[in-house]
Amino acid sequence: ILNVEQSPQSLHVQEGDSTNFTCSFPSSNFYALHWYRWETAKSPEALFVMTLNGDEKKKGRISATLNTKEGYSYLYIKGSQPEDSATYLCASSGNNNDMRFGAGTRLTVKP
Amino acid sequence: DGGITQSPKYLFRKEGQNVTLSCEQNLNHDAMYWYRQDPGQGLRLIYYSQIVNDFQKGDIAEGYSVSREKKESFPLTVTSAQKNPTAFYLCASSRVGIQPQHFGDGTRLSIL
Repeated sequence: ILNVEQSPQSLHVQEGDSTNFTCSFPSSNFYALHWYRWETAKSPEALFVMTLNGDEKKKGRISATLNTKEGYSYLYIKGSQPEDSATYLCASSGNNNDMRFGAGTRLTVKP
Repeated sequence: DGGITQSPKYLFRKEGQNVTLSCEQNLNHDAMYWYRQDPGQGLRLIYYSQIVNDFQKGDIAEGYSVSREKKESFPLTVTSAQKNPTAFYLCASSRVGIQPQHFGDGTRLSIL
């Protein structure tokens, strides 16, 4: 994998559903994996920064895992709410914190 | 309140003119970054700076220039050499090292 790739591109779920998305990144020269949430008309907001293989981070109903050997990270949202609707971005960074982003997963949670 | 301010929110310029986008932060962050977003693509890194008076090219630096004369400020100039400058530009800052970045609200540049 040469670039950071995210799937799916978009996702529609019902309120209360749990969901997850995938971020794939180059596993060579890996330093860190970042997740951001970007709501419409706002600026991107940092969710997690992960550096170690096997890292798991959690913030409320949102959690993320990291596999640096195979080059992927999962973001999970438990019991989705309409306010979770946003574009979720992942980025792989070098040792200068210079990030390379995927195109994002756009999540829509219907009431 | 601490944060990052980008101005203006919308900018229109004639083809062939240079234009400078402002980015100011009062978070006392040493590192600052410029990204560009085009429809259907991820944010792409233009330039970044880890310290005053020093900066590095990102993946799409051609046609852009930056300066970092003050810790708080990292202006981006879109020159006439940038072939397709119409885009949404985001500025960010962080502490040095592997750290979360804080983003501004962005500037949408349109070339007429």
